[in-house]
Amino acid sequence: DSGVTQTPKHLITATGQRVTLRCSPRSGDLSVYWYQQSLDQGLQFLIQYYNGEERAKGNILERFSAQQFPDLHSELNLSSLELGDSALYFCASSPGPQSSGYGYTFGSGTRLTVV
Amino acid sequence: EDQVTQSPEALRLQEGESSSLNCSYTVSGLRGLFWYRQDPGKGPEFLFTLYSAGEEKEKERLKATLTKKESFLHITAPKPEDSATYLCAVHAGGSSNTGKLIFGQGTTLQVKP
Repeated sequence: DSGVTQTPKHLITATGQRVTLRCSPRSGDLSVYWYQQSLDQGLQFLIQYYNGEERAKGNILERFSAQQFPDLHSELNLSSLELGDSALYFCASSPGPQSSGYGYTFGSGTRLTVV
Repeated sequence: EDQVTQSPEALRLQEGESSSLNCSYTVSGLRGLFWYRQDPGKGPEFLFTLYSAGEEKEKERLKATLTKKESFLHITAPKPEDSATYLCAVHAGGSSNTGKLIFGQGTTLQVKP
């Protein structure tokens, strides 16, 4: 157990639907990162939050949004889902605004399947 | 544009057959290079961080080295339990005030008994 908790582990939904992925960071970590991993793209950075504020944005689609709450957990919202959104979505956390000497700690991911 | 390329994509070894994985990078100022191990269906697990050319880190059968353009992950006398996908990632100078990492596509290693 890495200490980063992601729910749900698996999600199957239809095209056009909206889903919410949840992440609880490791105790004491203030940064949360979201990554998408698909077979052809590898791990792609989506967004980082640090202590409730957006810190960095990657190639995140306009249909996707995220937020970090006062208790530091984060949610990634994916809307108007398309078949191509099927992927593993990972959350990671780190103590500060930058990746530390060990990078960061990943959760076990949410596997999203859009049918 | 910051970029990370790993080779080979896949590698099959016999138990005990040593080899190396390559990670080439093009970044605007390297702040750190990371190696992760990822098992199927799981999140990446941290292995090493390297910061400057010439630096080396070791852990059991793994040794990571860094030059100005690439990093190698050397696997000595691998065992079947070393089978996994190995990911390389960089923290670039352009993202120095963030934690954004740029990942390579990974090398999937299979070690046969």
